[in-house]
Amino acid sequence: DAKTTQPPSMDCAEGRAANLPCNHSTISGNEYVYWYRQIHSQGPQYIIHGLKNNETNEMASLIITEDRKSSTLILPHATLRDTAVYYCIVRPTNTGANSKLTFGKGITLSVRP
Amino acid sequence: KAGVTQTPRYLIKTRGQQVTLSCSPISGHRSVSWYQQTPGQGLQFLFEYFSETQRNKGNFPGRFSGRQFSNSRSEMNVSTLELGDSALYLCASSAPPVGEQFFGPGTRLTVL
Repeated sequence: DAKTTQPPSMDCAEGRAANLPCNHSTISGNEYVYWYRQIHSQGPQYIIHGLKNNETNEMASLIITEDRKSSTLILPHATLRDTAVYYCIVRPTNTGANSKLTFGKGITLSVRP
Repeated sequence: KAGVTQTPRYLIKTRGQQVTLSCSPISGHRSVSWYQQTPGQGLQFLFEYFSETQRNKGNFPGRFSGRQFSNSRSEMNVSTLELGDSALYLCASSAPPVGEQFFGPGTRLTVL
């Protein structure tokens, strides 16, 4: 079972920031938070991951609460092409661990013009 | 670098047949994972191969099998196809020790 919970859907206006929440209250100390997205009928695309510090890359920012029980993915200026299902996943980080990703239902982000 | 490639992209089979899907990982990636995606069950992990060895397996019947070759390319096989096997089959590769996974475009299998 997925160890994360996300609301089923949300929308935002094009050009505005999209803040996608995720709860992972049972996360362990050795688990990262990963975000992927899947645009309709394509393979999932890696976005960002983090352990406890906030992270930023060219696609998004990841804000993890101090207790690590929740996080928020921020798309700073959403475009219509950001319409997709976004998956928040926790997985172990230890060397040699398997690469299995356990996907939940994700959150469907709809960006409106 | 070229991305993960999967062949074929689309496939139509009938019940009882078998099918083989192929995945070529990103150059240098030694881990290949397979996932099945259906509208009802979402994305589910099938198995993972690393250095030609299966190191993790999901909860699928034995009709689903896979292998990995010395060049890290992987194949998965489904025997005795059932209607419920209709799905998008996704392959992902990653570089050890633990890295983000890069997914291919998938193979859309339809079983009639």
